[in-house]
Amino acid sequence: QSVLTQPPSASGTPGQRVTISCSGSSANVGGNPANWYQQFPGTAPKLLIHNNNQRPSGVPDRFSGSKAGTSASLAISGLQSEDEADYYCAAWDDSLGGWVFGGGTKVTVL
Amino acid sequence: DVQLVESGGGLEQTGGSLRLSCAASGFIFSGFSMNWVRQAPGKGLEWISYIGASGSDISYADSVKGRFTISRDNVRNSLFLQMNSLRDEDTAVYYCARTGVTFFDHWGQGALVTVSS
Repeated sequence: QSVLTQPPSASGTPGQRVTISCSGSSANVGGNPANWYQQFPGTAPKLLIHNNNQRPSGVPDRFSGSKAGTSASLAISGLQSEDEADYYCAAWDDSLGGWVFGGGTKVTVL
Repeated sequence: DVQLVESGGGLEQTGGSLRLSCAASGFIFSGFSMNWVRQAPGKGLEWISYIGASGSDISYADSVKGRFTISRDNVRNSLFLQMNSLRDEDTAVYYCARTGVTFFDHWGQGALVTVSS
């Protein structure tokens, strides 16, 4: 059971907008920046969004992040086939004294 | 370019020990805190340990506390994870990851650890 809650799957057709939610508490997402990682099968995770809504250099602007209260969201606009991957949210947890992850969301492009 | 390369994974018996290493290059290793994150087969990511830049600040997830020890060598630009009293549920790919303030900005390719009786 993950500390942060994500839907296990999400899907859309090419060009659509897909949104993934990440629900936490005041100890983690509510009080600390939320981050998102993208992972393709058999490869290491890659930082996608940090500090709630900041994109590292090289990440397409169709990926965006937001946070409201104890929940964060990742949106993929203009969905492309190459966006098929697993997406994980994460945040520092003040109560646990470590980072916590969501269970991951598998995005499928139909 | 930042590079993190893990080594030391393999097959070990339940109750045994393994030591993972992570060789860092392309950045000033002594200026960054580091972490170990693992992923069991078909499962999600789990943070397991953190070490500050100087090595004096250390924390562990409850799942490995008392069994795993994180350390670093800032002269040899290396991060280590000593894993003792291994359990079947420790089977996972283990990643080293650099801390970029409040997030993991660079990850290694991972090392597979399989624990079996």
